[in-house]
Order: sequence, then structure tokens, then C-alpha cells
Amino acid sequence: GAGVSQSPRYKVAKRGQDVALRCDPISGHVSLFWYQQALGQGPEFLTYFQNEAQLDKSGLPSDRFFAERPEGSVSTLKIQRTQQEDSAVYLCASSLKKGTRDQPQHFGDGTRLSIL
Amino acid sequence: QKEVEQNSGPLSVPEGAIASLNCTYSDRGSQSFFWYRQYSGKSPELIMSIYSNGDKEDGRFTAQLNKASQYVSLLIRDSQPSDSATYLCAVKLTASSASKIIFGSGTRLSIRP
Repeated sequence: GAGVSQSPRYKVAKRGQDVALRCDPISGHVSLFWYQQALGQGPEFLTYFQNEAQLDKSGLPSDRFFAERPEGSVSTLKIQRTQQEDSAVYLCASSLKKGTRDQPQHFGDGTRLSIL
Repeated sequence: QKEVEQNSGPLSVPEGAIASLNCTYSDRGSQSFFWYRQYSGKSPELIMSIYSNGDKEDGRFTAQLNKASQYVSLLIRDSQPSDSATYLCAVKLTASSASKIIFGSGTRLSIRP
């Protein structure tokens, strides 16, 4: 497709369940980012991939959060043993390979996660 | 101190006027700056990127960067009701990983007819 695609758009889970969120970046975009956005806040960085390599995972809030991008295209963000504080919109963004300037990121529509 | 700071607003501007949005950042070595627009319930959409001191114009939008003052702003001329949204300032911090970008919490802009 033309843009970043995320699925599902909405996810409701009970506390303690595991969830998996999918991101399909723009074709040819080497860099992929995951963000968490709470209501009324800006996106908070979670993790960054360049191709299949996870170069920065400093924003992952706990070891319950795990992300992968095994073939350098589609990425999955997994949250184990979900807690209510995990409720947020999870945004995926992709960008072209970094050249002499940082390339702007293009965002998907996000997955709105609600933990009951 | 937050790494990227914005006034949360709401900023109310009459239709046709100039809206001025401001952002300050803490990392003096930052080189890349972005403005995103986010409508309620939607994802952020890139409006402008700026890398050098001075002004950069694109249609009704002008980004202004002053690295000495660690300040970046966005001006919207001839404001339209469709400009009502949250505007996010984003900065790439030099001390961070290759492409980590930090967002401010956003300024809500409301254009009144």
C-alpha cells in the first residue's frame, strides 16, 4: 500500500492477556519506529529498527514489551501480561534510510489498545 | 526539564489571522526539527522539517529555527478552520541513537470562524 498500515485498529484485552500489534511500513522504508501515545500527550518513543536490526529499545517501558522485525519489513509489537497502564494508542512510523539528513517519519493510523 | 517543551494551549485564533506555535528544546546539539499536525483520533502528519537557522516557507506555513536560543516555531498564515488540530514539535537529539526523535506534548490550536 501507499502508507504505513497497522492492525488491528482497535484491540480490547483483559488484564493479564498477551497482545500482538502489527505494522506494515511503506515499501522501501528501511527505518521503523514504535511509539506509545497516551491521551493528550505526544508520542513517546518505544523502539527503532533499521532493517531487521533493533538498534534502540531504550523506550520499552518494561520487559513485558517486545518488538521484532525478522525480515526487515513487517514488525510486531508484543505486550505480555497486559496491565491497565498499557492502554494507549500504539503508533508505528517508517522512514527512508538515513542519508545526510534525518528523514521525516510517516505514521500509520495506530492501534488503540484498551486493557480492561 | 522536558527535552521538548510546548505550551499545551488551547490557542484560539480568529479565521484569517496568523497562528504562532512555539517549541523549545534542551539538547543544544540537535540538528533536525519537525512539525507534525494531528487531528483528533488520527495519526500525526508531517507538515514541515527544518535543519538550518532561519525561516523555511511552504505555502501558508513557515517554520523558524533559532539554534542559539534552542527555539523552533511554526507560523500559519491565513488560518482556516481546517487548521484546528494539535501541533506536535519533534526534535532529533544528538545524544540519542541513530534516529530517535522526541516529541513535545503538543499545542492544541482552535481557529474560530
